[in-house]
Amino acid sequence: AQTVTQSQPEMSVQEAETVTLSCTYDTSENNYYLFWYKQPPSRQMILVIRQEAYKQQNATENRFSVNFQKAAKSFSLKISDSQLGDTAMYFCAFMKHVRLIQGAQKLVFGQGTRLTINP
Amino acid sequence: ETGVTQTPRHLVMGMTNKKSLKCEQHLGHNAMYWYKQSAKKPLELMFVYNFKEQTENNSVPSRFSPECPNSSHLFLHLHTLQPEDSALYLCASSQVRGYEQYFGPGTRLTVT
Repeated sequence: AQTVTQSQPEMSVQEAETVTLSCTYDTSENNYYLFWYKQPPSRQMILVIRQEAYKQQNATENRFSVNFQKAAKSFSLKISDSQLGDTAMYFCAFMKHVRLIQGAQKLVFGQGTRLTINP
Repeated sequence: ETGVTQTPRHLVMGMTNKKSLKCEQHLGHNAMYWYKQSAKKPLELMFVYNFKEQTENNSVPSRFSPECPNSSHLFLHLHTLQPEDSALYLCASSQVRGYEQYFGPGTRLTVT
């Protein structure tokens, strides 16, 4: 079974600073996907960024980037130039690679990190 | 309406009541999911439907009964719940062989 661990329950930084959220996971799979989801106070879960395990290049989406270390099973999220709107719960999640013969795959989530951006 | 919608957004029910949660997706997806988000636990997958067929039941108690009449609609029927069932219930959808799940805003359920 896969497990996802986020060791930082809460973090707080000043606006415009850079912050890194940590995530480790455990799996015996070789092909899989990793995700960071954001859940603001509105509760809407929003996909921030995804990484395919077979890709060595770290994914980036504007101010959001990841540091994917496959051997260490580590998947951290860096938010640059943080903004007040980044205040939210952030969840790291794992999904096995989808094979053609299989149906929908489930996400396995970590416990979440509550991030607060202070003005 | 766009994306994934859920109704009601808030629900308070007694332990002897019967109620239903509704989820609708407007994305043309063919897989739908129910997740439970409790205060002190990670999001837990409850049920998965592929093309209206249930493919996963994550050891969910029988007081939760899912129904998927078509690829766009998903229900969670609730009866004789316990106070520990109070949580945020999230619905999501995706393509069956896709990796990205789109979530609804959730239903905050309180069992008194």
